[in-house]
Amino acid sequence: GQQLNQSPQSMFIQEGEDVSMNCTSSSIFNTWLWYKQEPGEGPVLLIALYKAGELTSNGRLTAQFGITRKDSFLNISASIPSDVGIYFCAGPQGGSEKLVFGKGTKLTVNP
Amino acid sequence: SAVISQKPSRDICQRGTSLTIQCQVDSQVTMMFWYRQQPGQSLTLIATANQGSEATYESGFVIDKFPISRPNLTFSTLTVSNMSPEDSSIYLCSVGGQGSNQPQHFGDGTRLSIL
Repeated sequence: GQQLNQSPQSMFIQEGEDVSMNCTSSSIFNTWLWYKQEPGEGPVLLIALYKAGELTSNGRLTAQFGITRKDSFLNISASIPSDVGIYFCAGPQGGSEKLVFGKGTKLTVNP
Repeated sequence: SAVISQKPSRDICQRGTSLTIQCQVDSQVTMMFWYRQQPGQSLTLIATANQGSEATYESGFVIDKFPISRPNLTFSTLTVSNMSPEDSSIYLCSVGGQGSNQPQHFGDGTRLSIL
């Protein structure tokens, strides 16, 4: 099946720094989704991308849908302690509604 | 987006027993899904819960181990049967995903530990 390769696995940064993480696949995706999961909670949708080349922002978060449709990145600017969590990329498998997830990027922000 | 409630939020169970997890949505939805998240891992789709018909299971998951019910458009249950320590995971339901621009949203999950 389709797989998503997410990197980096973890990041340790200082408050105020910018963060960048990405997701790649050997297969084409028509949708890219970015979720954040905090301890004790389910994943929360941050940004949804539906068009190749699309660049979408949500506050300090910006995500882009790669032109090749095989990658996406998520940037967080001026990180704050509440950005701590695990960030997952996801996309629908083979045109279905079923999602495949990346392995996640665990973000730690030091005050 | 829909409000999704899962019960129980967590449980500790004995080996060999079964537990049924409930997922309630505050509006009618066509698509409901069940995922497993093993400790420190990503999410893996168990099955799609189909209203009025049998669930559609992904490779590696079978109905005898994870029976699913979907009696209506707002409710579904997942049973984890004959549990072993390897079943210790977070089980999450999600809704949505049908049609264009309707991404899935998740409940807060059920944290299951098997002794």
